[in-house]
Amino acid sequence: DGGITQSPKYLFRKEGQNVTLSCEQNLNHDAMYWYRQDPGQGLRLIYYSQIVNDFQKGDIAEGYSVSREKKESFPLTVTSAQKNPTAFYLCASKTPGPHTGELFFGEGSRLTVL
Amino acid sequence: GQNIDQPTEMTATEGAIVQINCTYQTSGFNGLFWYQQHAGEAPTFLSYNVLDGLEEKGRFSSFLSRSKGYSYLLLKELQMKDSASYLCAVMDSNYQLIWGAGTKLIIKP
Repeated sequence: DGGITQSPKYLFRKEGQNVTLSCEQNLNHDAMYWYRQDPGQGLRLIYYSQIVNDFQKGDIAEGYSVSREKKESFPLTVTSAQKNPTAFYLCASKTPGPHTGELFFGEGSRLTVL
Repeated sequence: GQNIDQPTEMTATEGAIVQINCTYQTSGFNGLFWYQQHAGEAPTFLSYNVLDGLEEKGRFSSFLSRSKGYSYLLLKELQMKDSASYLCAVMDSNYQLIWGAGTKLIIKP
């Protein structure tokens, strides 16, 4: 079945460590997104990519980095520069074109900083 | 600034009807989306409105009034499995999604 796979589902990190969250999709979607979700807040866009080898910063990109070397993969690195990284991270993809807004989400990765 | 407002929490009874409202102020408008999110899980798509009026899909309906910057999601014949958060999102003039904080719906027997 087609879908988006995020891993790991749960991750614990010590302060000062970088961690990378994996996101893989087999939906043949060009556009991929990373969101952060905190209690009581809407989803906030970290980074997005419309095409391979290209990506743009979202509203809260500081302390995060991404790469898009393959269409299927869009990993997110949470660096030590991110001051409050504990959150639920969601990866999503969608079909191309501005009028096709339905996002397909992965199951999410919950990061906790110890 | 851009803003999406929805109630934080609502409670309803199994078998009843509930209406979840969403008001928005955004830079342009290219459609409004409703997603359902069960606790600890990913959001799943429910509906999309770009023209004024009511879109019905089974037990769920979504309404849009662009002049009022207002939408609602109507859930009929509530079931316990409908207990979830309901997220309203608007696509702005740059085709980026602006998300509300979500409405947590609690269904009681």
